Amino acid sequence: EAGVAQSPRYKIIEKRQSVAFWCNPISGHATLYWYQQILGQGPKLLIQFQNNGVVDDSQLPKDRFSAERLKGVDSTLKIQPAKLEDSAVYLCASSPGGGAAKTQYFGPGTRLLVL
Amino acid sequence: GQNIDQPTEMTATEGAIVQINCTYQTSGFNGLFWYQQHAGEAPTFLSYNVLDGLEEKGRFSSFLSRSKGYSYLLLKELQLKDSASYVCAVRGLTTDSWGKLQFGAGTQVVVTP
Repeated sequence: EAGVAQSPRYKIIEKRQSVAFWCNPISGHATLYWYQQILGQGPKLLIQFQNNGVVDDSQLPKDRFSAERLKGVDSTLKIQPAKLEDSAVYLCASSPGGGAAKTQYFGPGTRLLVL
Repeated sequence: GQNIDQPTEMTATEGAIVQINCTYQTSGFNGLFWYQQHAGEAPTFLSYNVLDGLEEKGRFSSFLSRSKGYSYLLLKELQLKDSASYVCAVRGLTTDSWGKLQFGAGTQVVVTP
């Protein structure tokens, strides 16, 4: 089965610019996650969707970050405006959801560099 | 909240055994995961423990003690390709069925010839 797809793989922007990332989860997976991974650290959850609804966005900097999953499949994460400290890898993951979900499957990530 | 601690780096020789420890503090516990992450790549799932004891999967084993807030990942017969970061993650006990994962910073394992 196809894995989690993300694009772009790399992005370089200047501070105060906007950027958007796209994620296509594994087919049939109801739960979708966006993580931020700063170099040398573990992934930090930004937002979790269950179908097209937000389950947890407590660590999403809502003044500049936004995410949507309108049809309950693909998702986009946007940063506007970007800051230097947003330089990180943005990982998308999906899981079947429910109590049987023993793991999350990660995409290859988008590496963002803010100059 | 959850605090997860694991060593920053470990070095071992090809063919040897390495044990990576992970301690955690959480207000609720619903499973512990180990992921492998090669440089520049996404994490890949290695193991899952929700009950006390040892789970063995080939060269990799993971142990959990819930009363001690402790887990370890054991890598046997180390190969050069095992050089990677090994990340411990704890799933909290939330009101919904899809508990959030809290990740540790990862342990960089360096396997030398």
